Amino acid sequence: DVKVTQSSRYLVKRTGEKVFLECVQDMDHENMFWYRQDPGLGLRLIYFSYDVKMKEKGDIPEGYSVSREKKERFSLILESASTNQTSMYLCASSLRQGSHNEQFFGPGTRLTVL
Amino acid sequence: GEDVEQSLFLSVREGDSSVINCTYTDSSSTYLYWYKQEPGAGLQLLTYIFSNMDMKQDQRLTVLLNKKDKHLSLRIADTQTGDSAIYFCAETPRSGGYNKLIFGAGTRLAVHP
Repeated sequence: DVKVTQSSRYLVKRTGEKVFLECVQDMDHENMFWYRQDPGLGLRLIYFSYDVKMKEKGDIPEGYSVSREKKERFSLILESASTNQTSMYLCASSLRQGSHNEQFFGPGTRLTVL
Repeated sequence: GEDVEQSLFLSVREGDSSVINCTYTDSSSTYLYWYKQEPGAGLQLLTYIFSNMDMKQDQRLTVLLNKKDKHLSLRIADTQTGDSAIYFCAETPRSGGYNKLIFGAGTRLAVHP
């Protein structure tokens, strides 16, 4: 059974704090993704990684960075959290193959920045 | 650019059919997807269609693709309360090497008795 796990379901942080969101997949997938989900805006891609130590900016990378030191783990870092980063964060993974790209999602982390 | 549009809300009576519509912009997308998100959960793949197909049926689900108009729809027959969720349409543009998905805003389906 395929699985993507995220370190926390709910997180409350203060403005200016450094925040780490962790994602782990057990499917040996090459691709990993971080999205944020906001009502009426759907899912927006923050960063994408297609291999260990490789990363690519998505549509809204400002204020975020990522780290992929091991194939199974992809971390999202908020260097200095701000209230406009209050959101639901979703991690996903997929195989790097052809043009059919089913992404498997974690349960999400709801982050509140006060 | 790449863009996927969906209406935000749909309300249906239990037992009726639901039709969720989506338009996309990138004609190079080879696969188009429907994902379902239940309350408090991540997204789960519901079904997908290859771009050279017009229709795909899977039990209560029917996907229709009009490639000329770049229009995708998902029909759920005999809608049940368990179908209440947010439904996302997604495309896989060639510009992303077919590795990235572009999602619509999601349609919240409410099923009432």
